[in-house]
This record gives sequence, structure tokens and C-alpha cells, in this order.
Amino acid sequence: DTAVSQTPKYLVTQMGNDKSIKCEQNLGHDTMYWYKQDSKKFLKIMFSYNNKELIINETVPNRFSPKSPDKAHLNLHINSLELGDSAVYFCASSPGGQGAQPQHFGDGTRLSIL
Amino acid sequence: GESVGLHLPTLSVQEGDNSIINCAYSNSASDYFIWYKQESGKGPQFIIDIRSNMDKRQGQRVTVLLNKTVKHLSLQIAATQPGDSAVYFCAEIRYTGRRALTFGSGTRLQVQP
Repeated sequence: DTAVSQTPKYLVTQMGNDKSIKCEQNLGHDTMYWYKQDSKKFLKIMFSYNNKELIINETVPNRFSPKSPDKAHLNLHINSLELGDSAVYFCASSPGGQGAQPQHFGDGTRLSIL
Repeated sequence: GESVGLHLPTLSVQEGDNSIINCAYSNSASDYFIWYKQESGKGPQFIIDIRSNMDKRQGQRVTVLLNKTVKHLSLQIAATQPGDSAVYFCAEIRYTGRRALTFGSGTRLQVQP
């Protein structure tokens, strides 16, 4: 009965590689988000999508490309990975439109760049 | 509280005591505030929320207080239990403009048995 599920949970890869993180929510929510949590536990929004449309792009490098094939999925593709991309990435969803609360979070994907 | 260097501010309490976690926010136009709990290896989990037109809201064992004059939010946990050990974040949102949730820096709560 997982509400927001992300795969993989851990991702270890070399600098310069391209990788994807998948996210699915079974809550019927209209809005989905990606957040980045750094080593100091600081959480910052990266993107939000409402009904497959991009609403927020928080000045994230264009190496990061979110894709929403349907409103239950928001995947994150990262090109040319850099050391500074190492972090935990969280997907979240919320009912209603952009900004509706509360948001439900997945358990994160820990990305480690070697 | 504000994080210093690599370390989160930590609040250590005895099991059964009450805990108070504080948060200072910066945007006086924020409309809505939320407390999240994040356990190790998990995503943030909603605890309680409060709208800007309220100054207090109570849930089960938790109370949130909002002081808009000094832009301060607190989370009170009654009869703290070992399962309450986690990192707690306050978050704020303004319902105009981009309407993005902005998180504070987090406080680690350690409950001693």
C-alpha cells in the first residue's frame, strides 16, 4: 500500500554518467514534486508538475530533466552527473493544484557520485 | 533553529518529558505552515499544520504555536517517546506567486530512554 514509491533507493555511479530515478504515486494526486536534500539535511524544491505540466523549475541545471508520462508518474533523468549531484532526492505528491498541502513524500533515492 | 556547519541543532530529552522544537521563518507573507518529521532513511512525514490566521493548533500529543509578530513557529510534543526521535522540519508556503514549499533547516530530536 505504498503511497509514493521511488526506485532505486540507492544509486552509485561514476561522474559523467547518465541516470534516471523513477517515482510513482497511487494516491490519485494531481501534483508531483522533486526535492534535493543535501548533506546538511537541507531540503530544496527542484521541480513541480501539475497534471503532467511543468509548474516550477527552481533554477536547476538543464542536465536535470523531469518527465511526467502521466499524472501518477514523475521521473527524473540526470545527464553528465557531477560530484555535486550527490544527495538524497525525494519525490512527493499532493492533492489539488500547485501548492496544495500536505505533500506526501517517498523514502528517497540516495545518489552517490564516485 | 539554524544549522551550524555540518551539524543539525539537536534537542535531547528524556522519555516522558515534553519537547519544544523552535523554528524562525523569514517570509512575513507566508500563509500556511507545516511541521514534518523525518526518520532515518525515510522521507518527511506530515505531522501538523497551521494557517497564518491562527496562533495555535492541537493534534494528538502535538501542538503548534505560531507567533507572527516575531515570525516564530514551535512544535510541542507531549510525553515524548523513543519513536519520536527524528529530524523535524518546519516549512512555509505563500499562496500567491509560485506557491512552493520552503523548508527550514531542521532540528534533530533525541529521546533518551
